[in-house]
Amino acid sequence: EDQVTQSPEALRLQEGESSSLNCSYTVSGLRGLFWYRQDPGKGPEFLFTLYSAGEEKEKERLKATLTKKESFLHITAPKPEDSATYLCAVQTGNQFYFGTGTSLTVIP
Amino acid sequence: DAGVIQSPRHEVTEMGQEVTLRCKPISGHNSLFWYRQTMMRGLELLIYFNNNVPIDDSGMPEDRFSAKMPNASFSTLKIQPSEPRDSAVYFCASSFTGDTEAFFGQGTRLTVV
Repeated sequence: EDQVTQSPEALRLQEGESSSLNCSYTVSGLRGLFWYRQDPGKGPEFLFTLYSAGEEKEKERLKATLTKKESFLHITAPKPEDSATYLCAVQTGNQFYFGTGTSLTVIP
Repeated sequence: DAGVIQSPRHEVTEMGQEVTLRCKPISGHNSLFWYRQTMMRGLELLIYFNNNVPIDDSGMPEDRFSAKMPNASFSTLKIQPSEPRDSAVYFCASSFTGDTEAFFGQGTRLTVV
């Protein structure tokens, strides 16, 4: 059964305290893995797409990596404005499966 | 571009009534998706259109749900009759192709009482 699991469910960090979010998946035939950020009351906002194991993408304080079983979203020296829910999604065939997200709170 | 536009933003309706949600995708995007988000189940893909044709509707929960895309700039998701368990936030998203990143609208918060 195709499945996407994100951990932890919630994460509280002090400003400047780096950490990583995990997205593990079991799907048959990965076509792509997507990371999104969602702020309360808004739609998910695209961050990264990863297509193959070993691939890495960076944007400001965020870096996404991909292996054959999981993806990590590394957050370096986070700021309060990085507080949001981070969602990962995997595409297999014509299906997209989202994880339930990690709620990140960065405390000033 | 204004992004994906959904209407209405909020909808409150009584059980048994018909509800129609609307979506205008980003111009030039060939793929359109309808998602439902709840606290219990997170984001679930309901249906996926490519070039206005439904490609996969396996996520549509039951026959009460239907979606159409009459042209490249408009899609609707209809629930008839609505039930309280349909209460959720419904998102429309579009992408250039089915394999590229999707851009989401602001969502429609549906409450069925």
